[in-house]
Amino acid sequence: DAGVIQSPRHEVTEMGQEVTLRCKPISGHDYLFWYRQTMMRGLELLIYFNNNVPIDDSGMPEDRFSAKMPNASFSTLKIQPSEPRDSAVYFCASSPEFVVYSYEQYFGPGTRLTVT
Amino acid sequence: TQLLEQSPQFLSIQEGENLTVYCNSSSVFSSLQWYRQEPGEGPVLLVTVVTGGEVKKLKRLTFQFGDARKDSSLHITAAQPGDTGLYLCAGAGRYAGGTSYGKLTFGQGTILTVHP
Repeated sequence: DAGVIQSPRHEVTEMGQEVTLRCKPISGHDYLFWYRQTMMRGLELLIYFNNNVPIDDSGMPEDRFSAKMPNASFSTLKIQPSEPRDSAVYFCASSPEFVVYSYEQYFGPGTRLTVT
Repeated sequence: TQLLEQSPQFLSIQEGENLTVYCNSSSVFSSLQWYRQEPGEGPVLLVTVVTGGEVKKLKRLTFQFGDARKDSSLHITAAQPGDTGLYLCAGAGRYAGGTSYGKLTFGQGTILTVHP
């Protein structure tokens, strides 16, 4: 299996521009998670989906952030408009169907976003 | 809100030394996971512990879950330069239906550097 695929790997954009991050989860996994990682705040959960349905978006920082999962093999995280404080590494992770006490998550390589 | 505190935040040791990383919380977790992350990559799952008092070994790494399921430790014997990386603990809350399944609370991480 190819693992979780994210694109782009690096994104540099100017403040005010729209940014779209993409993720392809592992085939057959029912859960998809979007995280943000910074030195100051560590790894933060932004939103997660179960069978393409958003379950918990309480970690989404502002209305500027939105996420979609139109089908089981694709998800996007959009920031519009972007701000310098959004600079971080964004990870997508997926997880198989509920296995008792398992909760194993498989992470993609991340997208490093820099907003100037 | 469940919080996980990791200590130490930074650890710099010589090859061959032993070390222990701690992960503590005031909350009870149904399971706890340890991940390792290398620069430019996403976290990779090392182990999941489920039962209070459980000990798991992975070559030179020993993981223990506290009896009360509130804390965990990672012990590395005879550390090698290849062990260098960011170590993250992550706790899964008690299953309470769709709104909480799969959510992991991550600690801030321990950056380990092993010098040859």
